[in-house]
Amino acid sequence: GENVEQHPSTLSVQEGDSAVIKCTYSDSASNYFPWYKQELGKRPQLIIDIRSNVGEKKDQRIAVTLNKTAKHFSLHITETQPEDSAVYFCAATGNMLTFGGGTRLMVKP
Amino acid sequence: DSGVTQTPKHLITATGQRVTLRCSPRSGDLSVYWYQQSLDQGLQFLIQYYNGEERAKGNILERFSAQQFPDLHSELNLSSLELGDSALYFCASSATSGPLAEQYFGPGTRLTVT
Repeated sequence: GENVEQHPSTLSVQEGDSAVIKCTYSDSASNYFPWYKQELGKRPQLIIDIRSNVGEKKDQRIAVTLNKTAKHFSLHITETQPEDSAVYFCAATGNMLTFGGGTRLMVKP
Repeated sequence: DSGVTQTPKHLITATGQRVTLRCSPRSGDLSVYWYQQSLDQGLQFLIQYYNGEERAKGNILERFSAQQFPDLHSELNLSSLELGDSALYFCASSATSGPLAEQYFGPGTRLTVT
């Protein structure tokens, strides 16, 4: 089945800096790659997704890039704010959605 | 608010007991997914139902079972509970069953087994 690796597991940045989270996947048939943000004790919320026919997608301060040849995709957050602090999960789906292990992002004011 | 509801919010029970978690999908969604999230761990897919039928199975223990009813709500039954079953259980829903379907998560049920 699909295996998704996510790095780093924790990331600390200064407010205003950029943050990058990277994921690799194993199943070349995977074609949908969502990113979820989860605040402490709350539900995961879909923040952005990308499909295999697209290389990059942007939504305000958030962007996701996909390299299907290398089987990796990344989340980029620019101009980070304290409210961006949360755990971020990448996921990949071929037959079912498989999540990465999560990245705890801390934005220091 | 995603439109997905889950009850109860919290559940405390003893080892060996059985509990039922309930999920109502967003209006119009036919697929329901169940996930388990243990402390400091990622989301583990358990099972998916689509329009009343089991569609995909993940790492679901034999002590766990689920079903989706004609009104599309779903229940996850956990039996012979062990301490290690303590976790957040999330339900998600999507409009279709396919792999490209966007999933929207409910608020979760926190299960504590003592």
